Formats: sequence, C-alpha cells, structure tokens
Amino acid sequence: DAKTTQPNSMESNEEEPVHLPCNHSTISGTDYIHWYRQLPSQGPEYVIHGLTSNVNNRMASLAIAEDRKSSTLILHRATLRDAAVYYCILRDGNSGYALNFGKGTSLLVTP
Amino acid sequence: GAVVSQHPSRVICKSGTSVKIECRSLDFQATTMFWYRQFPKQSLMLMATSNEGSKATYEQGVEKDKFLINHASLTLSTLTVTSAHPEDSSFYICSARAQGENTEAFFGQGTRLTVV
Repeated sequence: DAKTTQPNSMESNEEEPVHLPCNHSTISGTDYIHWYRQLPSQGPEYVIHGLTSNVNNRMASLAIAEDRKSSTLILHRATLRDAAVYYCILRDGNSGYALNFGKGTSLLVTP
Repeated sequence: GAVVSQHPSRVICKSGTSVKIECRSLDFQATTMFWYRQFPKQSLMLMATSNEGSKATYEQGVEKDKFLINHASLTLSTLTVTSAHPEDSSFYICSARAQGENTEAFFGQGTRLTVV
C-alpha cells in the first residue's frame, strides 16, 4: 500500500469545523482513500472512504484533490466525542489484504 | 452496520499461562479476519491474517507457535497467546470485512492483556 502523511496532532474548539489533511503523493489509480478513527481504549471505527469524487456521510465529508495526491477529512461540527486518532489509509480496491495503519492524527477537541 | 464482537475486553494472567481471545462477526460471514497488536501510544501493528479453514498467515517477526490462530468457522476466529510473558502485555484488536470489493473493515472492541 502507498504511504500517507498526516500531521501528528491537531486541535479544535467544540462545535467548530475540523479539516484533517492527508498527503498521498504516490497513490495509484486503484487505491481508495479510507479514513478510520480510534477513540481511546477502543478498536478503530470506519469513518468514510472514496476514490475520486468527494463523499459525504452522516459522520463526515471527504474532499479529494483533483490529482488525488491529497485529501481532507472534514468534521463539520466537532464535539468532544470526536477526540480520537484519525487514520488516513490507502487501500487497493482489488486487494483483500489488511489495512496498514500509520501514526495518524491525534485530534484534541476543547470545550 | 456490521458488528465485530471481541471477548474478553480485559484480561490479566500470570506469566507462563495461556490466554484465548475470541473475535466474532455477528451479522456477516468473514472468510478473512485480521489480528493486530497495539502498544501504548503506538499505532496498530498487523500480526496475522486468519483464513477460514486454513492456516493463518503471520507477519514477519510474529511467532506462529506463540500466537496461535484458529478460524474454524465463517464467524469466529480465536487468538491464543501461549506461555505469556510480561512483554506480551498489549492491546489486541481483531478486524473483519464482509465479502465484496473494497468494503469497509469492522473492528472488535479490543482486548487489553496484562501479563503479571
């Protein structure tokens, strides 16, 4: 799987939008961009994924650059419950292999 | 959404004993499950891929005789830590995916193992 680069940590105020960036300059044409998050002492949970077009779901939005070399996870209104480590992972759409986790971005949400 | 249940959530055992961790996919069949280990303030590290009805595939550096994996059915995989040592203390997490192209992965709640 191609490598991703994320900031180690970010901070946000409660009820404000959060933009979590991810760089993936070596992405291949069949790589999907996945985002997972891990709350303290829990297993990761799926957030969103996409290929080329921007994606929205009840949890977040995913904005994908036109050249696909970067993407941004958008939390529209951060809550204290959104404090977690967010992982951006590339995954070949044809692959049945495991997700390979990097270090992720630790998001701190302050009231 | 689909649920993966992992049990126990927390276990303390003595050095030299064995501990079994169960991972169940509750509402879908998982031909493949994955086992991860996570040390404090570190990311998840893949240990092995568990295949239903066949031997598990272990990542480099993971001892297959120490971490026994059994995937006897489409909904259950178990990880047994044998002859546990304090350095095996960690957070163990299982994952499963439903069949289909590029489906999302579902994770268990994790098992906090402490070896004393």
